[in-house]
Amino acid sequence: DTGVSQDPRHKITKRGQNVTFRCDPISEHNRLYWYRQTLGQGPEFLTYFQNEAQLEKSRLLSDRFSAERPKGSFSTLEIQRTEQGDSAMYLCASSRGAANTGELFFGEGSRLTVL
Amino acid sequence: GQQLNQSPQSMFIQEGEDVSMNCTSSSIFNTWLWYKQDPGEGPVLLIALYKAGELTSNGRLTAQFGITRKDSFLNISASIPSDVGIYFCAGQLVKGAQKLVFGQGTRLTINP
Repeated sequence: DTGVSQDPRHKITKRGQNVTFRCDPISEHNRLYWYRQTLGQGPEFLTYFQNEAQLEKSRLLSDRFSAERPKGSFSTLEIQRTEQGDSAMYLCASSRGAANTGELFFGEGSRLTVL
Repeated sequence: GQQLNQSPQSMFIQEGEDVSMNCTSSSIFNTWLWYKQDPGEGPVLLIALYKAGELTSNGRLTAQFGITRKDSFLNISASIPSDVGIYFCAGQLVKGAQKLVFGQGTRLTINP
């Protein structure tokens, strides 16, 4: 079963360091999403790709955050100059179809701890 | 911003009991979805609702899209241990919108 795969599952870093997360969506899915989830809260939308095009970004995505999906397959989310407030679970999701029905397939997440 | 308010925040029940949780908003949502998240995992879709008044079942789970479009409920009948987890409602303000708005979750704990 090739679901959404995220790497690494856990990352501990010091404040000020850069981190990068990778997401491999379900192969036939053209839509890819990044969400952030802090402890005790629901996921919050960060950004959306249709194929290789980044079509929507949340205001939560500060200029220290950058996401790419260069060939319309896997995606990376980079956080530069990490801050303690960046500590969260970063969830990737994918879906297919002409319109977003809200039916997303989530990965297991990458948990970031910034010391 | 748009918020979905879930209640209760947590539930402690006995195995075999029925469960009811709901989600409300001051904004109209055009799609309602219910997801479940187990510890250390990503959310998994349980039920999706696309029309006001729609009532949909998935096994022991039943969910309804409120007629005002500002609320939804999820019921679980005859709870079993594997129902433990956090249940999130989510919605689309505009049908087809890329962004899902999530509630803060209802944590379900079951005593055997």
